[in-house]
Amino acid sequence: GQNIDQPTEMTATEGAIVQINCTYQTSGFNGLFWYQQHAGEAPTFLSYNVLDGLEEKGRFSSFLSRSKGYSYLLLKELQMKDSASYLCAAVDSNYQLIWGAGTKLIIKP
Amino acid sequence: SAVISQKPSRDICQRGTSLTIQCQVDSQVTMMFWYRQQPGQSLTLIATANQGSEATYESGFVIDKFPISRPNLTFSTLTVSNMSPEDSSIYLCSGKEARDTGELFFGEGSRLTVL
Repeated sequence: GQNIDQPTEMTATEGAIVQINCTYQTSGFNGLFWYQQHAGEAPTFLSYNVLDGLEEKGRFSSFLSRSKGYSYLLLKELQMKDSASYLCAAVDSNYQLIWGAGTKLIIKP
Repeated sequence: SAVISQKPSRDICQRGTSLTIQCQVDSQVTMMFWYRQQPGQSLTLIATANQGSEATYESGFVIDKFPISRPNLTFSTLTVSNMSPEDSSIYLCSGKEARDTGELFFGEGSRLTVL
């Protein structure tokens, strides 16, 4: 079957760095998305990786290892507004999105 | 990037009634989808809305319960029929541009509470 695993909840301190991991098992693979979702709002796109390596976008970076079925989202210089859920979603061979349950990130002052 | 508008943003409904959610995109996206997100959980795909034909439903979702229309490229509706408290959820419309691995855009969501 197809499966996405990510931690349920993480806590970090304002100004620090946090890494949210995601492992996936899919039938075929056509890339991986990270979305941010604030409470009560719709998900918003953060990143898309299809090749191995690190993609940096300001304070946020996303990494992919296809051979390990593994990705992470790295958030630097954490701000209180980064408190949100972070959803990992892999694209399978039929271009369907397989969603993780999301990681709730709590930022403390 | 596409902007997707949904309405209503929230509603409180009585058991046994039906509610239709409308979704409008501002550009010609190729594919439109309807998701459900129950409290504290991730997104579950209900169906792919196909222009001018019946939607493609995922396992566990049926047309009688969730009829979907998509009369043109930029508009779709989802009806939640004969509602029960278990249908209380956020329903999200989403759209994707032509590329298979293109970014998925989401509407603001419709939060339904069924009493």
